[in-house]
Amino acid sequence: GQSLEQPSEVTAVEGAIVQINCTYQTSGFYGLSWYQQHDGGAPTFLSYNALDGLEETGRFSSFLSRSDSYGYLLLQELQMKDSASYFCAVRAISNYQLIWGAGTKLIIKP
Amino acid sequence: DTAVSQTPKYLVTQMGNDKSIKCEQNLGHDTMYWYKQDSKKFLKIMFSYNNKELIINETVPNRFSPKSPDKAHLNLHINSLELGDSAVYFCASSQDSEAPETQYFGPGTRLLVL
Repeated sequence: GQSLEQPSEVTAVEGAIVQINCTYQTSGFYGLSWYQQHDGGAPTFLSYNALDGLEETGRFSSFLSRSDSYGYLLLQELQMKDSASYFCAVRAISNYQLIWGAGTKLIIKP
Repeated sequence: DTAVSQTPKYLVTQMGNDKSIKCEQNLGHDTMYWYKQDSKKFLKIMFSYNNKELIINETVPNRFSPKSPDKAHLNLHINSLELGDSAVYFCASSQDSEAPETQYFGPGTRLLVL
């Protein structure tokens, strides 16, 4: 089947760097997206990797390795406001269906 | 000038009732979605719809029916509500012809079935 796996929860310290991994099992997809969702809010788009490598947007970076079936979201200089859930998602080429990870809850401690 | 809007924001109702949630997007997108997010935060896609095709997630009970009067609206009608339907329902839209395919989510409708 097709699935994305993420850790359910990650804890980090304010000011530190944290990496949220996303491993997948899908025959082919267009690209890997990341979304952020604060408690009580709606998911918002963060980044997208169509090709292997690192994409950087300010304090956030995202990485994709298709050969390793693996991607990650890297958050630097963590701030308390980064406490949220983070979802990875892909659109499968085979049936054009969206596949979402279960989300990773990021807890930041002062 | 909200991009994706949903009404109502909160919905509390009794088991067995029928209810509808409305969604509108003013982004000119050609694809709209309905998601269900349960208490464990898992985002489950229920339907996606564009000008050409309605794609139904077969695991969704047929008590749920999407209705799209036009490209900018995708409403969700739920018949015979059950306790397990309690969740947050998100509407989203995207433009499939654009890359990356970014989805814009509405604020969510918090449904509580008593």
